[in-house]
Amino acid sequence: EAQVTQNPRYLITVTGKKLTVTCSQNMNHEYMSWYRQDPGLGLRQIYYSMNVEVTDKGDVPEGYKVSRKEKRNFPLILESPSPNQTSLYFCASSLGGYDYNEQFFGPGTRLTVL
Amino acid sequence: AQSVAQPEDQVNVAEGNPLTVKCTYSVSGNPYLFWYVQYPNRGLQFLLKYITGDNLVKGSYGFEAEFNKSQTSFHLKKPSALVSDSALYFCAVREGTTDSWGKLQFGAGTQVVVTP
Repeated sequence: EAQVTQNPRYLITVTGKKLTVTCSQNMNHEYMSWYRQDPGLGLRQIYYSMNVEVTDKGDVPEGYKVSRKEKRNFPLILESPSPNQTSLYFCASSLGGYDYNEQFFGPGTRLTVL
Repeated sequence: AQSVAQPEDQVNVAEGNPLTVKCTYSVSGNPYLFWYVQYPNRGLQFLLKYITGDNLVKGSYGFEAEFNKSQTSFHLKKPSALVSDSALYFCAVREGTTDSWGKLQFGAGTQVVVTP
């Protein structure tokens, strides 16, 4: 089944404890992206990747890191999480970056930072 | 820089009545517009997109959207709403310029409530 998977789905952590949220897609998509969803703000793009080893900042990259070492995976790293990073996170992928294909979204990761 | 506005936080409609969810956008170049839907405790699902061509775009689940360049709008419509259409709807825009190919801007979302 074609899908985007995220792990973990739920995470409660404490301020300053490094964490990684994994994202994987099995559709051979070139483009991948991370978003956070907050009430009243919609989805805001954190980072995106046009292809392997190519990443760029979205609208809210502060406090996050990403890497794209292989096509299928695009992990989101929070080196020192803070309470304002408590949010619902979505990973998405699409066929190509330089086209207008729709994005496929993962199920989301609900992160709480205490 | 691109931006998207969804002026209504919530739209209430009775089952069987027409449904409209509003979206306006701002881009420097040509807009590439999308609608996504989010059902409770689920990820987003693609509904439809406008790239070029016919201003009326048809999508999944009986939804359609009308692109209006002069009003910079891309309203989502359904002729007859179902209770199962109750969900959170997002409008999104990409700006087709070299330095923004990868960026996708979402609106704040509109909650649709369809009552029996």
